[in-house]
Amino acid sequence: ETGVTQTPRHLVMGMTNKKSLKCEQHLGHNAMYWYKQSAKKPLELMFVYNFKEQTENNSVPSRFSPECPNSSHLFLHLHTLQPEDSALYLCASSQARRVMNTEAFFGQGTRLTVV
Amino acid sequence: AQTVTQSQPEMSVQEAETVTLSCTYDTSESNYYLFWYKQPPSRQMILVIRQEAYKQQNATENRFSVNFQKAAKSFSLKISDSQLGDTAMYFCASNSGGSNYKLTFGKGTLLTVNP
Repeated sequence: ETGVTQTPRHLVMGMTNKKSLKCEQHLGHNAMYWYKQSAKKPLELMFVYNFKEQTENNSVPSRFSPECPNSSHLFLHLHTLQPEDSALYLCASSQARRVMNTEAFFGQGTRLTVV
Repeated sequence: AQTVTQSQPEMSVQEAETVTLSCTYDTSESNYYLFWYKQPPSRQMILVIRQEAYKQQNATENRFSVNFQKAAKSFSLKISDSQLGDTAMYFCASNSGGSNYKLTFGKGTLLTVNP
């Protein structure tokens, strides 16, 4: 257990559904991240939040909408997804930016299947 | 832009033996950190070892050590006395900080330790 908790662990949704992924960390970190992990591809950084402000959007389609109400919580709102969006979505947290040696702590991920 | 390449999609090793996982990277930054992360079947990514580019001495953590060749931009992971619990996906990652802390990952190497 790394101190980063993601819910749900598994999610199956239709292309017209709206759902949200939740991430929570109790490590006192102030940077949080969403990554997408697809088979046979490198982890793709989607969004970065520092002190609740979005500092990076890695050209992610608008059907993915992140929300960071405070430094401990991060959400990923999903709507009108495509089957190719099926993947493992990982949340991570770390100390603030500019601390290059800091370790990122990951959650267990949400396995998303879009049908 | 940073790139990380892991050329071995899968590897296997016998229990108690030594195995080396390869990683090459490319970055234009002068200072950066390199990491190896492990993702076991439970999916939670955990840090195995980290190396600062300015340090010539190779990092070690118990049975895990790295061979950092800065000129060649190579960062391999050696696992000694392999154990069944070492079976996992191993990801090499780099972070150059700058204006944003952003880990760039390779595609990963699936290591299987056989009894």
